[in-house]
Amino acid sequence: DGGITQSPKYLFRKEGQNVTLSCEQNLNHDAMYWYRQDPGQGLRLIYYSQIVNDFQKGDIAEGYSVSREKKESFPLTVTSAQKNPTAFYLCASSTRQGEETQYFGPGTRLLVL
Amino acid sequence: GQNIDQPTEMTATEGAIVQINCTYQTSGFNGLFWYQQHAGEAPTFLSYNVLDGLEEKGRFSSFLSRSKGYSYLLLKELQMKDSASYLCAVRASGGSYIPTFGRGTSLIVHP
Repeated sequence: DGGITQSPKYLFRKEGQNVTLSCEQNLNHDAMYWYRQDPGQGLRLIYYSQIVNDFQKGDIAEGYSVSREKKESFPLTVTSAQKNPTAFYLCASSTRQGEETQYFGPGTRLLVL
Repeated sequence: GQNIDQPTEMTATEGAIVQINCTYQTSGFNGLFWYQQHAGEAPTFLSYNVLDGLEEKGRFSSFLSRSKGYSYLLLKELQMKDSASYLCAVRASGGSYIPTFGRGTSLIVHP
């Protein structure tokens, strides 16, 4: 079955620690995205990538970093510079043509200890 | 920039019809999406409108008026499982093709 997977489902971060959230897709999509969702808020774009080895900052990129070494994978690192990392993180992918509907992974909930 | 407005919360009765509105202001327009999101889960695609009019898909329909900057999602024969957040997302023309999401409307369906 084609789809997007994210791991882990829950992640705990200690103060000053970097953590990496995994996102993998086997839909053969060129574009991948990371969103952050806080209670009562819409999805806010952190980073996106249109093609391998290329990515751009979204609206709230500060304190985050990404890489896109493979088409299938787009990991997100939440660095210690992100002072308020507690949120629900969603990864998505899409083709670059047509309707470009985004397909979302199941999400990772990050909590700070 | 873009401004997208949806009601925060709505309630409705099982078996009824509910309309969730979305108004937007954008510099250029290139499509509007509706997604459904159950608590703690991923958003799932419901509909896409780029031309004016009504698109019907089973119990769900979506309407768009580009001149008014307005869309609605119509849910018929409501079921308890329809209790979820409904996200409106608008894509502007030119530049980035990535849609901007509204805050979502939390729909509560009660017996």
